[in-house]
Amino acid sequence: DSGVTQTPKHLITATGQRVTLRCSPRSGDLSVYWYQQSLDQGLQFLIQYYNGEERAKGNILERFSAQQFPDLHSELNLSSLELGDSALYFCASSVEIEADTQYFGPGTRLTVL
Amino acid sequence: AQSVAQPEDQVNVAEGNPLTVKCTYSVSGNPYLFWYVQYPNRGLQFLLKYITGDNLVKGSYGFEAEFNKSQTSFHLKKPSALVSDSALYFCAVRDILDSNYQLIWGAGTKLIIKP
Repeated sequence: DSGVTQTPKHLITATGQRVTLRCSPRSGDLSVYWYQQSLDQGLQFLIQYYNGEERAKGNILERFSAQQFPDLHSELNLSSLELGDSALYFCASSVEIEADTQYFGPGTRLTVL
Repeated sequence: AQSVAQPEDQVNVAEGNPLTVKCTYSVSGNPYLFWYVQYPNRGLQFLLKYITGDNLVKGSYGFEAEFNKSQTSFHLKKPSALVSDSALYFCAVRDILDSNYQLIWGAGTKLIIKP
């Protein structure tokens, strides 16, 4: 158990809908990262937050947004969902602002029908 | 530009034999290098990292990796494979000169250990 929790574990929704994925980092970790893992594109970095502030952006679509709250948990919002958004979404956390050892949550499997 | 390559999509090894999963990288400055493992239906788990110092790094579950600066490689090794080592392995690199501080991830190598 990495200490990172993600909810829900599974999510099934329809195209055009909006969903929110939640992540709680390890105790003491200030950085939160979001990743998308799909069969054909591997592990894609989406966005990083550090202590409530956006730190770095990767290949995140404009339909997606995230935030980190004062208690350091983070949410990833996915809107206007498309079939191609079906994937595993992972959250990871680390202590520092720079990417070092990251601890991954179990992931949320999103299925868009 | 920074990049990392895992040239093999899949590696097949018989149980008890040594295993190697390859990783090469390209960075402008000095690299921080990482290996992670992903078991089926699980998140990624940290295995080991190279920051500085001894080129041979030992990690979890009996794995080790050797940093080779001249060949820009960081291959993952284990002397004797177990069936339970079957998983997806990811190599990642960070350039210490990169102000974005992000990890660049390889595409992953599926390791299959046959009994």
